[in-house]
Formats: sequence, C-alpha cells, structure tokens
Amino acid sequence: KAGVTQTPRYLIKTRGQQVTLSCSPISGHRSVSWYQQTPGQGLQFLFEYFSETQRNKGNFPGRFSGRQFSNSRSEMNVSTLELGDSALYLCASSPLKTYGYTFGSGTRLTVV
Amino acid sequence: AQSVAQPEDQVNVAEGNPLTVKCTYSVSGNPYLFWYVQYPNRGLQFLLKYITGDNLVKGSYGFEAEFNKSQTSFHLKKPSALVSDSALYFCAVSARDDKIIFGKGTRLHILP
Repeated sequence: KAGVTQTPRYLIKTRGQQVTLSCSPISGHRSVSWYQQTPGQGLQFLFEYFSETQRNKGNFPGRFSGRQFSNSRSEMNVSTLELGDSALYLCASSPLKTYGYTFGSGTRLTVV
Repeated sequence: AQSVAQPEDQVNVAEGNPLTVKCTYSVSGNPYLFWYVQYPNRGLQFLLKYITGDNLVKGSYGFEAEFNKSQTSFHLKKPSALVSDSALYFCAVSARDDKIIFGKGTRLHILP
C-alpha cells in the first residue's frame, strides 16, 4: 500500500512569504503529526491531528498552523517566513499511537 | 512534562561487535517508547516499540531494546553490527494521551 506522501519535496521561499505543505497519510490512518527537523534541535513536535481535530500542539509561534481534512489529509502553513524556519518538515501518520508512526520523506524548506 | 535523552551524539562500533544506543526518558504514568532510524535524505523508519508486556522488545533488522522501569531507560541493542546499520537513530516517548517527542538522535557509525 502507498506510504505517507509529502509534497512538495523541496521548496525555496523568501523571507516574509508564506508556505503550505501537504501530507497524505496512509489510507485508514486518522492520526497525523508534524515535526520540524533541524541539525541543532533534532525533531521538534509541531502538531497532532486526529479526525480533523488538533489533539496536541508544540511550542511554536502562531505563524505555524495546520489543519486536517475529512479524508485525513493534512496541511501545515507557515506565514511570514524567517530564515530560521529552514528545516526538513516531516509528517507521520498512524491508525493509533500505540502502533507507532509511519513517516513521509519530508519537505525540505529553505528560506532565503 | 515528558522528555527523552540520548546522551551520545555519536557511537562508533566495529562491524561484527555488539552495539548499544542509549536512551533515558521521563514521563508521567506508563510510557510508550519507540525507536526509529533515519537514513540520509529519508524520513524516519520505525524499528520497534514498547507499550506493555515483556521488557525485552524485538524489532526490525535484528534490533532489540530493553525497557528498564527503575532506570527509566530504553536502550537499543544489536548482537552483531553491520556496516549497513550506520544511520541516525532516534528514541521517542509518549504518555498515553500526549504527543510523541523525540530525542536529538545518535549517529551510529559501524566501522568495517
């Protein structure tokens, strides 16, 4: 079966712009989580969605937002981009937390 | 608040020798514990998990981990390392209804 699909794979944006990243989970997975990965900070939790409801939120500024649609696909949006937002953004899906996550390959965002 | 620590940034092991990657955690209540591996330019791949039951958990690619409640540890082990095991390894922890958080990762180098 298809894995977790993240689009686009690579993105270059200018400071001040906004960006939307997309994640299509494995069919049947209702839980979707987002993480930011940087060399210095490791994996930082952004949000977790389950059945269109945000269940948990990490310690990121309000410029970072997300949502989940009725088909479990999820998007995250970053407004007013800063250089420090350059990172690999990973999406993960799961039917239930106890199953563990399946991760997508990520979207590498570069802000210039 | 929950936390997870991987005390070693890098571990070097000769091929054929046993390997251990360390992880300690802090969480309220019973923990859910996970290990993931990341290869270059890829997302994370699930290796194994501890939810409940036997303290010794066996996972993919010959890896295993031991849950030690008194030491709040969940070290990853393999009896005989392969060069192909070289990668970045992440330990993760979650309480029942909380987000899954990840350690900063340990880079494992298997020397031929």
